[in-house]
Amino acid sequence: GQQVMQIPQYQHVQEGEDFTTYCNSSTTLSNIQWYKQRPGGHPVFLIQLVKSGEVKKQKRLTFQFGEAKKNSSLHITATQTTDVGTYFCAAPWGGYQKVTFGTGTKLQVIP
Amino acid sequence: DAGVIQSPRHEVTEMGQEVTLRCKPISGHDYLFWYRQTMMRGLELLIYFNNNVPIDDSGMPEDRFSAKMPNASFSTLKIQPSEPRDSAVYFCASSWLSGRGNEQFFGPGTRLTVL
Repeated sequence: GQQVMQIPQYQHVQEGEDFTTYCNSSTTLSNIQWYKQRPGGHPVFLIQLVKSGEVKKQKRLTFQFGEAKKNSSLHITATQTTDVGTYFCAAPWGGYQKVTFGTGTKLQVIP
Repeated sequence: DAGVIQSPRHEVTEMGQEVTLRCKPISGHDYLFWYRQTMMRGLELLIYFNNNVPIDDSGMPEDRFSAKMPNASFSTLKIQPSEPRDSAVYFCASSWLSGRGNEQFFGPGTRLTVL
């Protein structure tokens, strides 16, 4: 089945530093989603990217979809303690509504 | 809307016992997903339904696991008999096809511990 790899697995940053997580697929994707899961919580949808080279921003978060639609990144500018959690990318396979989740990047922000 | 509702939130049981997890999707959503999350294996899709019909159960680990969706507002995931390796957080999620795409809405999860 579809495999989506994320790096890094863990990231510790000082509050105010930037953070980036990367998602890579061996196959071309029709779209990619990003979710955030707070500690002890459930995944919450952040955004979906569809177009090649697409860039979307949500306040301090910037999402990019690669030109070849095989990779994506999430960049957080000036991290805050509220950014703590695990960030997952998710890619569709085997059906439009079915997705496979990446391994996730766990972000810890040190105040 | 109350969002996706799952019950119980926590379940502790002994090996060999039957466990039933319940989910109420968001009204109007026609897709329902069951996931399992563990440290070792991450977030795994177990099964998903479209309009109450199981579409793909290839992620169900073995015959001890079964899932049903008798109507649009209710689904169950049953484990019989349960084993310690089934300990995990089980999430239910729902979605619908829309112009925005296929965003999935997750429930709060059921933390299952099998002793």
